[in-house]
This record gives sequence, C-alpha cells and structure tokens, in this order.
Amino acid sequence: AQSVTQLDSHVSVSEGTPVLLRCNYSSSYSPSLFWYVQHPNKGLQLLLKYTSAATLVKGINGFEAEFKKSETSFHLTKPSAHMSDAAEYFCVVSDWAAGNKLTFGGGTRVLVKP
Amino acid sequence: DAGVTQSPTHLIKTRGQQVTLRCSPKSGHDTVSWYQQALGQGPQFIFQYYEEEERQRGNFPDRFSGHQFPNYSSELNVNALLLGDSALYLCASSLTGTNNEQFFGPGTRLTVL
Repeated sequence: AQSVTQLDSHVSVSEGTPVLLRCNYSSSYSPSLFWYVQHPNKGLQLLLKYTSAATLVKGINGFEAEFKKSETSFHLTKPSAHMSDAAEYFCVVSDWAAGNKLTFGGGTRVLVKP
Repeated sequence: DAGVTQSPTHLIKTRGQQVTLRCSPKSGHDTVSWYQQALGQGPQFIFQYYEEEERQRGNFPDRFSGHQFPNYSSELNVNALLLGDSALYLCASSLTGTNNEQFFGPGTRLTVL
C-alpha cells in the first residue's frame, strides 16, 4: 500500500530565505509523486510532478523537488520565499496498483515572515 | 476553459439529512474522483468514476455514493449525515492514461449541525 509522511506540520521562514518541505513516501511500485499547494479557502493547485523521468523536477513559482529512490524522499525546495508562498502544502503519491487514486500526506503549513 | 467546477460552494445540513454535491470536470477529462478533507488534515480518497461506473473506492461507508453522467459530470451523495461528515469535499478530474495528474475544483464546504 502507498503512503506519504510529511515530516514537518509547520515551517516558518523569513521572506527571501530558502524553503525546504520534507516528504517521505512508501510505494510497492514505481510511484508518481506530486506536490500540491492550497491557499486559504481555495482548491488545490499542482506545483509539480514526478513521473519516472528526470529526478530533479521544476515546478511553478520557482519551486523544485528531487526524487531520491534510495531515500524514498521527495523534498520540495524554493531558493527564496515570497509572502505569497504562505499556504498549506501537500505531498502526494500514486502508483499503478492504486489506479488513479491519490494518497495525500498530512500537509505542511508554511508561514512567511516579513 | 473553466477548469473543474463544483456546486454549491457552501452547504449547511442537520444530522440525518441527505446531501448531493455536484462536479463538472475540466474540458476533455473523462475521470472524476472525490475527496474529503476534514479540518487540518489532508484530503482522503472517497471514490473514482470512469465511464459512468465506480472504478475505485476508498475506506468510506455505503452512506457515500456517487454517479457519473454521460457528459462526465458527477454527483456525490451522502445519506444519514453525521456531525463527522462536516468537511471540504473536493472533486478532481483527469484524463485516463495521463500519469495520474488530477485537477481539483474549489470544493464544497459541508457543515452538519
């Protein structure tokens, strides 16, 4: 069965400093991995996805993530945080055995201080 | 392209009532999935519809049922509402065979009193 663990429930950064959101996954098969962002009272927006191509994935708004199979990790980073990055971030896994079902982590809430 | 749309935006019901939520997928998509997001938690998979049939189901009781129409739109029905059913219900659409990328609607906020 697939599962996702987001290692930090809250992350606080200062504007202009790097952001690191940590995610570990479990999957019996070659997984697809995603990061979604959810702003208050909004739906989920896809930031980036890994689907067995390049292990370093670039997404929207300057975010990127690196797939490390040996560590079963898919951490999300951004070099310089912006106030608009304050939101909830979800790491998500899906594998062929689960069909199109997405399994979400518990989320990491990001606070950006001016 | 309007993207994924859901209605209503908000809904208030009382225990024991029944509710129907609606979803229109992104243009060109043929698969609709429903998720429940309780306050402070990540979304949980309820079920998925493809070609008007339930293809997969998560760990939700039979009180949760759904339907997909020939135009790919979908409904989520919940019977005998419980206080614990209060949540944000998210609909996601996708195109079969596209590496599981799903596009989400804004959700319906259900409050059960």
